[in-house]
Amino acid sequence: QKEVEQDPGPLSVPEGAIVSLNCTYSNSAFQYFMWYRQYSRKGPELLMYTYSSGNKEDGRFTAQVDKSSKYISLFIRDSQPSDSATYLCAMSEGNAGNMLTFGGGTRLMVKP
Amino acid sequence: EAQVTQNPRYLITVTGKKLTVTCSQNMNHEYMSWYRQDPGLGLRQIYYSMNVEVTDKGDVPEGYKVSRKEKRNFPLILESPSPNQTSLYFCASSTRTGPGYEQYFGPGTRLTVT
Repeated sequence: QKEVEQDPGPLSVPEGAIVSLNCTYSNSAFQYFMWYRQYSRKGPELLMYTYSSGNKEDGRFTAQVDKSSKYISLFIRDSQPSDSATYLCAMSEGNAGNMLTFGGGTRLMVKP
Repeated sequence: EAQVTQNPRYLITVTGKKLTVTCSQNMNHEYMSWYRQDPGLGLRQIYYSMNVEVTDKGDVPEGYKVSRKEKRNFPLILESPSPNQTSLYFCASSTRTGPGYEQYFGPGTRLTVT
């Protein structure tokens, strides 16, 4: 069993829809949770970062962490075609760059 | 412009022929790392470096070497490539501290070993 599980998709939604992307994990020591966005033929870029449980909002994006269920989510409101990308969750035990564990990524397609 | 550069972007080679993928960053970051990305497996760390002359193994180091002689450069060396090293490779850099320790990724190098 992988340490971090993520549905690969693809997830296809119409423009304007609310998108929910999720990851489950098995390591209860994870404390730092991130979402990276990766456009085709590009490197990943950090989208959201949260520490421990709770919600964090940034514009149309909301990251949610439920440590009791070992489950994290990324919500995208009013999705746009420009949101079409692969979304990777990542997490770590400590605030050190050498300890990231990534999920396999979910490919999202937002159709106009 | 702040960036991480990798060369080459695409490479097709044969089994056993030594190759080097270069990585350079212009942000004065102390921390650099190499990942490989395979379908369904996400990004897996190969090696990382916390500073000049300081390197350590990640999750999948077998078959790879690295060196960090200068702060800005972190080359990945495949001494004897094999077909199972066919993958998409990313170099990344970040500051050692800061919330979220955002990693800046290069554009990727697609390697095919036949």
